[in-house]
Amino acid sequence: DAKTTQPNSMESNEEEPVHLPCNHSTISGTDYIHWYRQLPSQGPEYVIHGLTSNVNNRMASLAIAEDRKSSTLILHRATLRDAAVYYCILDRGSTLGRLYFGRGTQLTVWP
Amino acid sequence: GAVVSQHPSWVICKSGTSVKIECRSLDFQATTMFWYRQFPKQSLMLMATSNEGSKATYEQGVEKDKFLINHASLTLSTLTVTSAHPEDSSFYICSARDLQGVVGAFFGQGTRLTVV
Repeated sequence: DAKTTQPNSMESNEEEPVHLPCNHSTISGTDYIHWYRQLPSQGPEYVIHGLTSNVNNRMASLAIAEDRKSSTLILHRATLRDAAVYYCILDRGSTLGRLYFGRGTQLTVWP
Repeated sequence: GAVVSQHPSWVICKSGTSVKIECRSLDFQATTMFWYRQFPKQSLMLMATSNEGSKATYEQGVEKDKFLINHASLTLSTLTVTSAHPEDSSFYICSARDLQGVVGAFFGQGTRLTVV
């Protein structure tokens, strides 16, 4: 299994930035870092992924530590629709595309 | 992002019957599809991996004769829960990936199965 550690829960106010941390100390050189989020009663949604460099897309930014043992998902301005469980997952070449989900971080956004 | 369609969204069946769930990748060819199960307030648990035209690979502890997976084409995979029992009631989610490229996984909306 791909091992990552995330806080169980975090809270934010609407329109404030949110930094969701993830530790992955066992990461190897070819492992990609993926982030997904899941709203209640829905399938997960792809958010972003990266290897070494920081990544930006329309949903979020991914900041990857220089040693790659941790990463941070950044939501620049949280909205109520961003309230979800966020999963940080290592995509390992050895697992042939399989993604193993941990418990994730429940993000609560207050109006 | 890519679209993965899962059908039905919810189903109620009687104990002992079988239920088929379909998963389609609508705008890309999925070399590999995955099936997950999720119980309330828990994370997703990977059940099996299917590649087009070959037998599915099941995770440890998942009964392959109970959860039949068919991946007949690059856009369609099906999961059949055979002889369903109340303990099989769960949220089933499929995922599709094109492993030829370095992209993320895309998920269906899930199927809520209730066995009565």
